Amino acid sequence: AQKVTQAQTEISVVEKEDVTLDCVYETRDTTYYLFWYKQPPSGELVFLIRRNSFDEQNEISGRYSWNFQKSTSSFNFTITASQVVDSAVYFCALSDGETSGSRLTFGEGTQLTVNP
Amino acid sequence: EPEVTQTPSHQVTQMGQEVILRCVPISNHLYFYWYRQILGQKVEFLVSFYNNEISEKSEIFDDQFSVERPDGSNFTLKIRSTKLEDSAMYFCASTRDGNQPQHFGDGTRLSIL
Repeated sequence: AQKVTQAQTEISVVEKEDVTLDCVYETRDTTYYLFWYKQPPSGELVFLIRRNSFDEQNEISGRYSWNFQKSTSSFNFTITASQVVDSAVYFCALSDGETSGSRLTFGEGTQLTVNP
Repeated sequence: EPEVTQTPSHQVTQMGQEVILRCVPISNHLYFYWYRQILGQKVEFLVSFYNNEISEKSEIFDDQFSVERPDGSNFTLKIRSTKLEDSAMYFCASTRDGNQPQHFGDGTRLSIL
């Protein structure tokens, strides 16, 4: 069975601080995909990134960066110089790469509040 | 940029009534999904659909639920006899290739009275 754990329920920071959101996953599959989605207060789910299990290269996109470590089954997300608009719930998710079209298993989400 | 559209944005229904939630996936996508999110909780998978049939369903997706792609563009979720605990945000998602990111609609908030 697949499982995603986001141990941080809520994080509150002041604007311009860096913040890291943790994600730990469990799967028996050797091929799998990891995702981060953002859910702003308006409620939609916005795709941020996908990584496959064979690509441990870290990725940076503007103020966002992701650290994938297979050895610790973690896929952490860092926002550098946070802004008020980053306030949202962030979900980490996992899908089975063995089966095409497989479900996403989501973590519980981390509510990030960035204060001015 | 093409997007998944869901209607209505908010549906209020009496307990025991049938409800149909509608989705128009992105036009060249082949895999379709329904998820739900009870208020304040995580997003949970309900069902996936490919090649005009259900490919996977969760334990939540019992006999009260059904899905259909009636006309090649719409993808619907029907709940036959709604219960109070069906109150949630329902998200439709689609993807062209089953291992590509799923793109989500804005959701339908279902309130059962």
